[in-house]
Amino acid sequence: AQSVTQLGSHVSVSEGALVLLRCNYSSSVPPYLFWYVQYPNQGLQLLLKYTTGATLVKGINGFEAEFKKSETSFHLTKPSAHMSDAAEYFCALLDTGRRALTFGSGTRLQVQP
Amino acid sequence: DAGVIQSPRHEVTEMGQEVTLRCKPISGHNSLFWYRQTMMRGLELLIYFNNNVPIDDSGMPEDRFSAKMPNASFSTLKIQPSEPRDSAVYFCASSPMTGYTGELFFGEGSRLTVL
Repeated sequence: AQSVTQLGSHVSVSEGALVLLRCNYSSSVPPYLFWYVQYPNQGLQLLLKYTTGATLVKGINGFEAEFKKSETSFHLTKPSAHMSDAAEYFCALLDTGRRALTFGSGTRLQVQP
Repeated sequence: DAGVIQSPRHEVTEMGQEVTLRCKPISGHNSLFWYRQTMMRGLELLIYFNNNVPIDDSGMPEDRFSAKMPNASFSTLKIQPSEPRDSAVYFCASSPMTGYTGELFFGEGSRLTVL
């Protein structure tokens, strides 16, 4: 079965500090991986995606993620956190059998002034 | 461009009542997904349609839940009868099926509270 695991349900950083949100996946086929962000009372929106090719993927709002096959990881990073980055972040994997996204449990990012 | 539109945004109802949630996907998108979000279970895929045809409904919790897509611009998710454990945020998302790589466009959700 294909799945994603997000480590840490809550992460708190100071404004200007590095953001690191962790995601590990399990897949028997080359994975398609995604990060989505959910702001309060809103739907999810795509931050970035990895399908094939370059393993370092850049997304919106200064976020990026690196696909590491050897570590089965797809961690999300941002060099310098802004207050506006406070949200919940979801890692997702395209389940090739169901042809639909399977989401991780989410990580709530808090940014302290 | 209009995104995915869901209604109602909030619904409070009593146990045993029928609930109907509505979704209008992005024009030209021919895949539509219904997800449910709860604190305990996170985001769960309930059902999805391709070209108005239900493809995978294995996530529908039980017979009380039903979903339809009568045309390319409208879908409903119905719960009858509703129970308190159905309280959740229900999201509709759409995607272009051709060359589908998993990118979904979500609506703002319908928050359901069953008393």
